[in-house]
Amino acid sequence: DQQVKQNSPSLSVQEGRISILNCDYTNSMFDYFLWYKKYPAEGPTFLISISSIKDKNEDGRFTVFLNKSAKHLSLHIVPSQPGDSAVYFCAASANNNDMRFGAGTRLTVKP
Amino acid sequence: DAGITQSPRHKVTETGTPVTLRCHQTENHRYMYWYRQDPGHGLRLIHYSYGVKDTDKGEVSDGYSVSRSKTEDFLLTLESATSSQTSVYFCAISEFASRDTVGKLFFGSGTQLSVL
Repeated sequence: DQQVKQNSPSLSVQEGRISILNCDYTNSMFDYFLWYKKYPAEGPTFLISISSIKDKNEDGRFTVFLNKSAKHLSLHIVPSQPGDSAVYFCAASANNNDMRFGAGTRLTVKP
Repeated sequence: DAGITQSPRHKVTETGTPVTLRCHQTENHRYMYWYRQDPGHGLRLIHYSYGVKDTDKGEVSDGYSVSRSKTEDFLLTLESATSSQTSVYFCAISEFASRDTVGKLFFGSGTQLSVL
């Protein structure tokens, strides 16, 4: 029972363009959402988060949008850079100790 | 980078043997977690600890046990390894000091475990 879903296993974009990674969830109790980035042979690293009381959070080139009614969130990267090539995991939490992760989306940014 | 060390980094073992993975932190964080990462499943929580000798089960705890005798060390044991436990195992830590840190996990570099 996957409560957090990333339906696109991979995404390829051109350098300088926008990357949009999507995530859907089923548990209406989730109140905190995060994105993690993972390079090969490394552990995931925190990228950006959003609380359910907000619908947008921005940090430099990264913006996360939350649509609670649709149970959908997205990560926008503008402009995309080759160094952004990684696997991106969406995560959601209903309490501090039960964070659920999506399966990940592999982003490739082509020079 | 958060001071998290996982050992070993790679291990190959045989079905039926016990295996222990170690996570060591130098951040004095209260919470420690063990996740496994598998293709198509993302990261799934195995067990977590909210203090010395305080642990609880996660989403996929069957076949695993944990122990935390010191703040800095969190051990994951596979009592009798099976091929389905071949995976990459990640340790993570967090400290819920404020709302800003809720949910922010800091991960180790992972242990690749192969059970033959």
